[in-house]
Amino acid sequence: AQKVTQAQTEISVVEKEDVTLDCVYETRDTTYYLFWYKQPPSGELVFLIRRNSFDEQNEISGRYSWNFQKSTSSFNFTITASQVVDSAVYFCALSEVDSGGSNYKLTFGKGTLLTVNP
Amino acid sequence: NAGVTQTPKFRILKIGQSMTLQCTQDMNHNYMYWYRQDPGMGLKLIYYSVGAGITDKGEVPNGYNVSRSTTEDFPLRLELAAPSQTSVYFCASSSRAMRSYEQYFGPGTRLTVT
Repeated sequence: AQKVTQAQTEISVVEKEDVTLDCVYETRDTTYYLFWYKQPPSGELVFLIRRNSFDEQNEISGRYSWNFQKSTSSFNFTITASQVVDSAVYFCALSEVDSGGSNYKLTFGKGTLLTVNP
Repeated sequence: NAGVTQTPKFRILKIGQSMTLQCTQDMNHNYMYWYRQDPGMGLKLIYYSVGAGITDKGEVPNGYNVSRSTTEDFPLRLELAAPSQTSVYFCASSSRAMRSYEQYFGPGTRLTVT
């Protein structure tokens, strides 16, 4: 069965600190996708990034970076020089392959609440 | 594009009442989903649809029904509302054509059953 674990329920940092959000997953699929979503206090869910299981290159987008390691089944998310606007709940998600070979269903972790204090 | 829209934004129901949460997407996405989000519990899939006329149960379907008569619309019906259905409901869609599978979410409906 699919499973996504975000062991950190809450993290609190001071502005300009770096912070890493952990995500560990379990799947039997050989082809899968991993995602990160952001849910700011306003409540909407915002897509941040997608990685497929064949691409283990790390990715950087501005202050955000992602570290995908198949060997440890982890897909961690780092925010460099955090800002107050980064305060949000962050969800990691894993796709599931259906009988037709499509990866359209997602399993979400329970989320990590990040609070960045000024 | 408006993306995924949901109505209403807020609703208070009395126990035993029924209602329909509306969801519409204008991105011509094949797949649509309904989730509920309870505090500290992440998102749980209620129902999903892979195309017009096709729906299937997710992890927590009891107490809900769906239909998908068009590509754009995916309403969620609550029959005989119960306090356990107090939650925030999100509708989402994704595209088979893109083969990227990221889901795009509506703004959510906050439902309270008292």
